[in-house]
Amino acid sequence: NAGVTQTPKFQVLKTGQSMTLQCAQDMNHNSMYWYRQDPGMGLRLIYYSASEGTTDKGEVPNGYNVSRLNKREFSLRLESAAPSQTSVYFCASSEARFPNTEAFFGQGTRLTVV
Amino acid sequence: ILNVEQSPQSLHVQEGDSTNFTCSFPSSNFYALHWYRWETAKSPEALFVMTLNGDEKKKGRISATLNTKEGYSYLYIKGSQPEDSATYLCAAKGAGTASKLTFGTGTRLQVTL
Repeated sequence: NAGVTQTPKFQVLKTGQSMTLQCAQDMNHNSMYWYRQDPGMGLRLIYYSASEGTTDKGEVPNGYNVSRLNKREFSLRLESAAPSQTSVYFCASSEARFPNTEAFFGQGTRLTVV
Repeated sequence: ILNVEQSPQSLHVQEGDSTNFTCSFPSSNFYALHWYRWETAKSPEALFVMTLNGDEKKKGRISATLNTKEGYSYLYIKGSQPEDSATYLCAAKGAGTASKLTFGTGTRLQVTL
């Protein structure tokens, strides 16, 4: 019962390096999300994908790009990492067509940019 | 941007105390309100999802209410236990952007013996 799987769990990058965070869900959900968590700021939405083939900006999209590769996978790319992107990143999915459905979260990726 | 606010930011209670937190959200174009429990070093897990004005949900000692007309929800914990220590997040969805789930900053609860 995998649910939402994120890789990697930890990553250290140098300023200017690029990387892609991978996320996959096996619950056949239409909607997927990327959040970042910083102390005292809860979860802030970076990008979301309402359904396969669509992506939309959230509250803090600058410096990130996303790809909804198929219904299962939603990746987050940092093209040129900056220290301000040091954070814990969470991927989530939900079946947003139905109002009473919750979101399910991955285990998080702790990213440090030095 | 959907503005979801939670209060208090943090709370420290003793074992056995009952407590409650508030989540406020825009009452116009409301679609759904979620509550999540988030323990340190883990992922958030859903407690409740509510959609109708007047909804009340309960899970053990934890319950929640929803007022969509005035734009707030309360989360109650009866007889707090140390294992209730966590951050409690609320999140809202607005109609029209029903896929977009926006979180508040959370209430951090610490329960001590």
